[in-house]
Formats: sequence, C-alpha cells, structure tokens
Amino acid sequence: DAKTTQPTSMDCAEGRAANLPCNHSTISGNEYVYWYRQIHSQGPQYIIHGLKNNETNEMASLIITEDRKSSTLILPHATLRDTAVYYCIVSQRNAGNMLTFGGGTRLMVKP
Amino acid sequence: SQTIHQWPATLVQPVGSPLSLECTVEGTSNPNLYWYRQAAGRGLQLLFYSVGIGQISSEVPQNLSASRPQDRQFILSSKKLLLSDSGFYLCAWSRGSFKNIQYFGAGTRLSVL
Repeated sequence: DAKTTQPTSMDCAEGRAANLPCNHSTISGNEYVYWYRQIHSQGPQYIIHGLKNNETNEMASLIITEDRKSSTLILPHATLRDTAVYYCIVSQRNAGNMLTFGGGTRLMVKP
Repeated sequence: SQTIHQWPATLVQPVGSPLSLECTVEGTSNPNLYWYRQAAGRGLQLLFYSVGIGQISSEVPQNLSASRPQDRQFILSSKKLLLSDSGFYLCAWSRGSFKNIQYFGAGTRLSVL
C-alpha cells in the first residue's frame, strides 16, 4: 500500500508560490513527513521534514494539518530551476532504509 | 563541507560483462551509505545500505552485490550484467543520527546492450 498520495503533475507560474499537496492518511504517531525533489537526470535533493509542527527553511515551508493526514510543501517564489519531481515520503525518523520514493509530483514552473 | 563523488557518469556495457561502480564521501566519518536504482520514469528502489565497514544489507535479491572496503567508500558490482540491470544508479550518504536525510551523488546512467 502506498503511504502517500500526490498529484501526478502541477504547473506554476514563475515568481508565484508553488503549493504541492500530499495525503498520508495512514501516518502513524512516530512517522515523519519528508520532502525531496529530483531535477531531471540528477540525484534527489533533501528539502525539508516535519513531525507535526510547521517547518520552514531556506528552501521551502512545510505545513502539516493538525490531524497529520496531509501536508503541503510551499515554494514561496518558484523559479524555473524549481522544475522537478517532488517526492513526499512518510517514514520513521531514523529508518534510513525505509525511504520510499514513489511517483511524486512533476512540477513545471513556467515563465 | 561534505561531498559525495560517484563515477562514471555514464556507462555502456554488453550483456554478460562485469560491473564496478564506485562512490566515495568526503568531509564526514562513519556515514551510512546507500545504493539506489531508478528505472526510466520510475521511483527509486533501494538496493543496498551499509552502516559500517564490511556491513552490507541487501534490500532486494538480484544480480548485484555491494562492498564497503573503507569507511567512506561504497562499491556496487556485478559479475555478469543482464539487460534488466540498465538504469540510473545513485549513491547516497547520511549521518547515523539522521538516516532519513540523505545526500545523493550525481548518479551513473548504465545501459546494458
């Protein structure tokens, strides 16, 4: 069973905020939400993670609903270089070998 | 700062030939190391991971093997490549205390013909 559900693709205008949703309705209490992205022909890049509180770093913000069944990754000012596949992953904090990179959301930032 | 090196970037090999892909990490000690494979248009599949020298865990049965001869060196090998071994191979590392924050190399695109 897939632990997360993401839209297959999304478009965003350059300079606007990109809001990428993720559903994880079966998340358990000790599981975190991780976001990675993969630019074409490159290795994945870690973006951000959280447990239940909203998180922000230099790359993005992560908003997790109070029931933790869904989350949204926000890129505040998308650029063309943000065009990539974005993966939402649910995993125990220190599992390491249990990161499951599924289909992700293909974000296309357009000028 | 930490860096991860993976080579070669691309490789074309005939069926039945051997394979050796190397990954090295700089700027950290005792990293956790991972080998992933990505088939065209698909997600990543974890192949092997290692928490220390000589310690290898295999996630899927296959035609490949991994070794960790030194603390910051991880090698992916095969004695005889199959067509199905084609794909994008990625090495990654993480700290022991934050295994889910992984840093990936640039990858090797392997074509078996």
